[in-house]
This record gives sequence, C-alpha cells and structure tokens, in this order.
Amino acid sequence: DSGVTQTPKHLITATGQRVTLRCSPRSGDLSVYWYQQSLDQGLQFLIQYYNGEERAKGNILERFSAQQFPDLHSELNLSSLELGDSALYFCASSVAGGLRSYNEQFFGPGTRLTVL
Amino acid sequence: GQQVMQIPQYQHVQEGEDFTTYCNSSTTLSNIQWYKQRPGGHPVFLIQLVKSGEVKKQKRLTFQFGEAKKNSSLHITATQTTDVGTYFCAGPVIDSNYQLIWGAGTKLIIKP
Repeated sequence: DSGVTQTPKHLITATGQRVTLRCSPRSGDLSVYWYQQSLDQGLQFLIQYYNGEERAKGNILERFSAQQFPDLHSELNLSSLELGDSALYFCASSVAGGLRSYNEQFFGPGTRLTVL
Repeated sequence: GQQVMQIPQYQHVQEGEDFTTYCNSSTTLSNIQWYKQRPGGHPVFLIQLVKSGEVKKQKRLTFQFGEAKKNSSLHITATQTTDVGTYFCAGPVIDSNYQLIWGAGTKLIIKP
C-alpha cells in the first residue's frame, strides 16, 4: 500500500458526460501528479500540482481540468467524454521538498474509466 | 524536446533467462528512477540513481547509470515469474525537481 488513495476504483459512463476523479496523497506529500494510461500503453503525464498551485502541465486536453485543495487532496475533472478517454487514470504524490531533493513518486491504485 | 527512449518495448524470455531494458535520454539527467508495474497494478518505485557510473543491485536486479548520465539500464538475472510486468525509467525534466519524463516502458513476458 503506497498510502495514496484514489476513488472511485471503477467508473463507467457515457459519451458526453462529465466525471470527477479524486486523489488523496500520502501524508506529508505536497505534490500531486495525474497520469493517463491507455490499454497496454505507457504513462502519459497530465498535470502536476504543488501545495495547491499548478506546477507543470503535460498532454492534458482542454476538456480536462484539475485542482488541488488546501487539504492537499486533488480532483481531476473530465468533461465531454469521448470513447478514447477510456483509460486508467493514476494519481501519484511525492514529498517534493527542497531544491536538492529528487523525490520518487508514489502511485495510487488508479481509477479505471470506461466510456460507452 | 527532451525525450527518454526505452527499448525494447517487449521482451519474451524463458524463466531462468536474463532480461535487460535500456533507457537513453536526449539530455543529461541529474538522476534516473526505475519503476515496476505488475499486470493490473500501479507503478512502484524501485530505485534512484544519481551518480555518474553508479551501479546498484537489488538481489537479482542490477541498475546502471551511464558515465555521461544520459543512459541507464536494468538487468535481471535468472528471471522468475514474479518479475513479470512493465519496467519504466524516468528522469527529471530540465529545471524541474519534481516533474519526471517517462520512458515508454519495457514489458517483460515469461514464456510458458
């Protein structure tokens, strides 16, 4: 158990709908990352938040948005869903403290999104 | 742009054979991390290499970081069924301490 929690575990919805994925980082971790992993594919970095602020953006679609709340949990919002958005969405967290600390990322179990 | 290339994409081995995956970066990396993702699971951190030429071992796994800090390898000796999964390398984005750029992963498949 990495200490990172994600809900829900599975989500089935229809095209055009909007969903929200939730992530709670490990206690003490300030950075949260969101990744998308399509079937048998690599990890596509979507976005990173650090202590409530957006820190980096990857290949995140305009239909997707995220935020990190004061209690450091994060939500990823996916709207106008398309069939191609079906994937496993991982949240990861890291301590990310200090300029000289290169912190490993701890991944949650993921949310499997199926768009029908 | 900055890239981390990982090869091969797949490797099929008989149980007991060795396995190697390679990562090559387009830029010098301050460090490189390796992760393993079991089938149906999530990526799990294995190790981080920081020094030029560094070699680290974890039982049957040997990790190397190149002298120029642009390439790395993971070698597994005498693979076992528990080694099955996808191995990813990841290095920090330039001027970022936290964001990683990921290799595409190498899937280790044990032949029946």
